Amino acid sequence: DTGVSQDPRHKITKRGQNVTFRCDPISEHNRLYWYRQTLGQGPEFLTYFQNEAQLEKSRLLSDRFSAERPKGSFSTLEIQRTEQGDSAMYLCASSYSGIQETQYFGPGTRLLVL
Amino acid sequence: DAKTTQPTSMDCAEGRAANLPCNHSTISGNEYVYWYRQIHSQGPQYIIHGLKNNETNEMASLIITEDRKSSTLILPHATLRDTAVYYCIVRVSGNTPLVFGKGTRLSVIA
Repeated sequence: DTGVSQDPRHKITKRGQNVTFRCDPISEHNRLYWYRQTLGQGPEFLTYFQNEAQLEKSRLLSDRFSAERPKGSFSTLEIQRTEQGDSAMYLCASSYSGIQETQYFGPGTRLLVL
Repeated sequence: DAKTTQPTSMDCAEGRAANLPCNHSTISGNEYVYWYRQIHSQGPQYIIHGLKNNETNEMASLIITEDRKSSTLILPHATLRDTAVYYCIVRVSGNTPLVFGKGTRLSVIA
């Protein structure tokens, strides 16, 4: 059973550019979460999907951020017109919904905006 | 905001048991206690969770007080590879995002 994978692992971009990250969840997991983590802080929730439906978005998810999970499998997170404040680790987690749902995290994508 | 309070940092000698405390005095009856850890530059790793009974798995033991207002994660024989930030999280049964605090930075010392 392969774990959650994320691509790329590292991304350096210039301010104003668009970036897209991909997350492949554990197979048959119907829930997929995106979190963001800045230096010295714990991860913060951004959004999550159940199958292909986006069920919740955090107030942290500005209009420049968009996430999709078109076929209920992999997901993409796009940031448009990146700003230096977007520099962070972007984490993806997947789970199978249930009373004792447990989320399993990928290795993260580290974004640096210059 | 996180509903838990953890010490900022702890040290533990290699081979000894590491006991990491967590206070969650406002926990509700339907809220579980979850523990994750994050080794430097990696994604968080699930360790264990429980509701009111003590739990044990191959990684750790979770001891929850009878009033459920606090808990302790026990790593029975800490190794250098257990050096990480440990997060204690309280959440309702499934279907909700995890709310992380700043966790406890555990340093295992040879």
